[in-house]
Amino acid sequence: AQRVTQPEKLLSVFKGAPVELKCNYSYSGSPELFWYVQYSRQRLQLLLRHISRESIKGFTADLNKGETSFHLKKPFAQEEDSAMYYCALNGGSSNTGKLIFGQGTTLQVKP
Amino acid sequence: GAGVSQSPSNKVTEKGKDVELRCDPISGHTALYWYRQSLGQGLEFLIYFQGNSAPDKSGLPSDRFSAERTGGSVSTLTIQRTQQEDSAVYLCASSLTGGSGANVLTFGAGSRLTVL
Repeated sequence: AQRVTQPEKLLSVFKGAPVELKCNYSYSGSPELFWYVQYSRQRLQLLLRHISRESIKGFTADLNKGETSFHLKKPFAQEEDSAMYYCALNGGSSNTGKLIFGQGTTLQVKP
Repeated sequence: GAGVSQSPSNKVTEKGKDVELRCDPISGHTALYWYRQSLGQGLEFLIYFQGNSAPDKSGLPSDRFSAERTGGSVSTLTIQRTQQEDSAVYLCASSLTGGSGANVLTFGAGSRLTVL
């Protein structure tokens, strides 16, 4: 079965500290993985997708097929990074967007 | 429109009543999705439309839930005989089909449903 697991409900760090939000998935084919973010009182929005291999707002995520992981990392957290982060897996055919989401991790960056 | 519009933004209803939630996707987005966001439950997939047809209804939690889409645009999610466990934020999203925009979802602000 296709599944996304985010083991941490809450991650609290101090400003300037490194951040790693964990995401593990189970999927039998070639996965397409995403990170979505929801800032306070804002809409859920795409942060990054693994096929783009880009850094957004200092965040990066590498797909590790051996460990079936797609952890989100940032070397130096900022207070404005505080938000809810969701990892998502494309569970349909390659051209459908049926995304399976994890339960989300709240990132709290303290001053 | 400029973004995905959902209405109502807030709905309070009594148990047993029917509710309709509306979603107006981004113009030109052929794919439309409904998700449910509950506290502690993450985002739960409900249904997906490609044009006016729904190839994947697998997430609808019961036969009290139904959705339709007309003219390849506006979609309505209907919940009949609402129960307290239906209380959640219902999110709509749309995307392009094919190309680099495929599978990149743009979400609406959501409709918060409270069943008393």
